[in-house]
Amino acid sequence: AQTVTQSQPEMSVQEAETVTLSCTYDTSESDYYLFWYKQPPSRQMILVIRQEAYKQQNATENRFSVNFQKAAKSFSLKISDSQLGDAAMYFCAYRSPLSTQGGSEKLVFGKGTKLTVNP
Amino acid sequence: EAGVTQSPTHLIKTRGQQATLRCSPISGHTSVYWYQQALGLGLQFLLWYDEGEERNRGNFPPRFSGRQFPNYSSELNVNALELEDSALYLCASSLLPGQPQHFGDGTRLSIL
Repeated sequence: AQTVTQSQPEMSVQEAETVTLSCTYDTSESDYYLFWYKQPPSRQMILVIRQEAYKQQNATENRFSVNFQKAAKSFSLKISDSQLGDAAMYFCAYRSPLSTQGGSEKLVFGKGTKLTVNP
Repeated sequence: EAGVTQSPTHLIKTRGQQATLRCSPISGHTSVYWYQQALGLGLQFLLWYDEGEERNRGNFPPRFSGRQFPNYSSELNVNALELEDSALYLCASSLLPGQPQHFGDGTRLSIL
């Protein structure tokens, strides 16, 4: 079974600076999807960025980018020019492709990293 | 475009009772997913419905069940409630299986 590990329960960053959140995962599959979700105090999980394992190019969405290291099974999230609105719990998630036997569409989540942004 | 909507926002029950949680997916989305976010346990996959059928379920007892209606909305039913069922229940939907999942605000279920 796949597992996702976020080793940083809490992180803090100064406004306008850059922060990197770590995520590692364990899988025997060669094709899969990785996601970062943000959950502010309002509770709604918001998709931040996604990465397909077959793509070597790291995904980027505005101030958010990932460093995907497939061999190391690492998927870190970099937030540039941090803003107060970035404060939230961040969850890393893994999903098997549907084509995989037993591919189930379920997301496997890490425990989350609480990000605080200091003014 | 309206997002995933869940009701009620908060539900208070006692042990042994039954709870029904509701979810309306984003318009046009056919797949609905349910997750449990319990304190200290993180987010765990509960159920996946697509085109009215249960496609997969997580490692939860049978007293957790649900269904998906012809309009693609969904219900999660939890019977014989136990204290450890207290959690935030999140519903997500996707346009098709394989597409990114978009979440609602959740229903906070509290068991007294």
